Amino acid sequence: QVQLVQSGAEVKKPGASVKVSCKASGYTFTTYGISWVRQAPGQGLEWMGWISAYNGNTNYAQRFQGRVTMTTDTSTKMAYMELRSLRSDDTAVYFCTRGGPYSSGCDYWGQGTLVTVSS
Amino acid sequence: DVVMTQSPLSLPVTLGQPASISCRSSHSLVHSDGNTYLNWFLQRPGQAPRRLISKVSNRDSGVPDRFSGSGSGTDFTLKISRVEAEDVGVYYCMQGTHWPLAFGGGTKVEIK
Repeated sequence: QVQLVQSGAEVKKPGASVKVSCKASGYTFTTYGISWVRQAPGQGLEWMGWISAYNGNTNYAQRFQGRVTMTTDTSTKMAYMELRSLRSDDTAVYFCTRGGPYSSGCDYWGQGTLVTVSS
Repeated sequence: DVVMTQSPLSLPVTLGQPASISCRSSHSLVHSDGNTYLNWFLQRPGQAPRRLISKVSNRDSGVPDRFSGSGSGTDFTLKISRVEAEDVGVYYCMQGTHWPLAFGGGTKVEIK
């Protein structure tokens, strides 16, 4: 069965970076991309960007351009999302999800990783 | 960018009664390949979202047939024919046709 298992909760200081990982299993990793979606406390879902696990192509939401990097490692079936220059309003649960655009539409989700940014 | 607008924000429903959620997009979601990539998700309290419906009306495996999706172009609807207790949570629509992808603001369904 398809599973996405994410790394554990993080606490970071403003200005620091965080790297969240997502381990995929149960499907051919390179057939689907990975989207990253975040949810601030009590708020809705926000799409951050997408990476192709086939060729590493990325598409980031404008508001994260320059501050986010998404990568994959096909040998370990891992996806990573690094967010830099953290601010308090980056405090959120970060989800990885399989696919995103077109037919692949976010059909499976990781359990989420809480990132807390606090001085 | 495409903006997704859901209504209502909150939807109190009686068990066994129908419920309907609207999702409108600022641009047509018809892709050049002829498909419309509009998805619906349910997020129960404390859980990750779960996709219910893809491409407007295709129920995912294991999704009860009391859930149905309809619509075209810019106007879409999710209907629950008879609400059950396990349907409580926040429902989101999401468009996957245009970059950047976008979610609606969510509709909270609760039992009266």
